[in-house]
Amino acid sequence: QKEVEQDPGPLSVPEGAIVSLNCTYSNSAFQYFMWYRQYSRKGPELLMYTYSSGNKEDGRFTAQVDKSSKYISLFIRDSQPSDSATYLCAMKISSNTGKLIFGQGTTLQVKP
Amino acid sequence: EAGVAQSPRYKIIEKRQSVAFWCNPISGHATLYWYQQILGQGPKLLIQFQNNGVVDDSQLPKDRFSAERLKGVDSTLKIQPAKLEDSAVYLCASSSRGTATNEKLFFGSGTQLSVL
Repeated sequence: QKEVEQDPGPLSVPEGAIVSLNCTYSNSAFQYFMWYRQYSRKGPELLMYTYSSGNKEDGRFTAQVDKSSKYISLFIRDSQPSDSATYLCAMKISSNTGKLIFGQGTTLQVKP
Repeated sequence: EAGVAQSPRYKIIEKRQSVAFWCNPISGHATLYWYQQILGQGPKLLIQFQNNGVVDDSQLPKDRFSAERLKGVDSTLKIQPAKLEDSAVYLCASSSRGTATNEKLFFGSGTQLSVL
């Protein structure tokens, strides 16, 4: 069993839709949770960073963490064609490590 | 602010050959990472440097992979000899605050390696 599970998709939605992306994890020691966006032939770019459980909002993006269920989500409101990319969840155990454990990524296509 | 620079962009080699990748982090960033991303998978950490010292190389296949960061700036990652399963994108990342809670990793565009 992988430490972090993420549905690879692909996920195709019409422009303006609300997108929900999810990851589950098995290691209850994870404390820090991130979402990265990766365009084709580019490196990952950090979108959201959350600590412990709760919600965090940044513009059209909302990250949710439910540690009791070992489940994290990223919501994208009013999705745009420019949001078409692969979305990777990542997490780490403590502040004194730079080692991120990534999910395999979900490919999202937003159609005009 | 200039990003993380990596070269070459693409590399094709035959198995058992050697290959090297180069990374120039963002100026002033003390921490440098090499990640391996196999097609359809998330990146996996190979090695982390803090300045010119190794912090974590627990997932580096040391029988064939080596990395160095001389003078705490540029870094090279070498594979010798390469195997078919080494085909992947090799991503370099850097951060300024090391292992702080809110450190942000900046990734380069990667080197795509194909081993035939």
